[in-house]
Amino acid sequence: GQQLNQSPQSMFIQEGEDVSMNCTSSSIFNTWLWYKQEPGEGPVLLIALYKAGELTSNGRLTAQFGITRKDSFLNISASIPSDVGIYFCAGQWGEYGNKLVFGAGTILRVKS
Amino acid sequence: GAVVSQHPSWVICKSGTSVKIECRSLDFQATTMFWYRQFPKQSLMLMATSNEGSKATYEQGVEKDKFLINHASLTLSTLTVTSAHPEDSSFYICSARDLGRGLGEQYFGPGTRLTVT
Repeated sequence: GQQLNQSPQSMFIQEGEDVSMNCTSSSIFNTWLWYKQEPGEGPVLLIALYKAGELTSNGRLTAQFGITRKDSFLNISASIPSDVGIYFCAGQWGEYGNKLVFGAGTILRVKS
Repeated sequence: GAVVSQHPSWVICKSGTSVKIECRSLDFQATTMFWYRQFPKQSLMLMATSNEGSKATYEQGVEKDKFLINHASLTLSTLTVTSAHPEDSSFYICSARDLGRGLGEQYFGPGTRLTVT
């Protein structure tokens, strides 16, 4: 089905480095969400963005809702080993109503 | 807050049998729940939207007679995989909308690993 374009597909970084990932869409969304999924678990909501241009932080995580409402990015500062997992962006409240449209995910590996 | 549970966390069944998976919102009421399946190293694929007190809405290509959904209360939705086959083996995840937070973001359960032998 419909997916957002999420990049990069995977990252293998050194502990302490900053991480950046982003999602783009051809459709407009009114809400952008970032989730983290660890092996064998369900996704956990990290940040929810509601307004175009909004910049929101959650600890070492910062996410922004693009002005065009067609993109979003997530930054993780000073990565640590427990940041390992798959990060998914999701758009909500666009032409697909209350359904979430997911990106393909960014696999993050951290070497300590 | 916004906790969603699933039961069982994993199940192994024989081909041809049926399996029921429960999804519960523990600290909020959810008029809408969603069922996803996820294959290894892939994103989540929406199977159906479960609406309390009414029929579920299935995504294109998902067989409603094979994946039975019942949303009988504001805190419980069930997914029954009928006449399971090995190709139904997957990770099934539910989510629930918490209308008391933000714009009703979806919170996910921990998932159920189904293996059909």
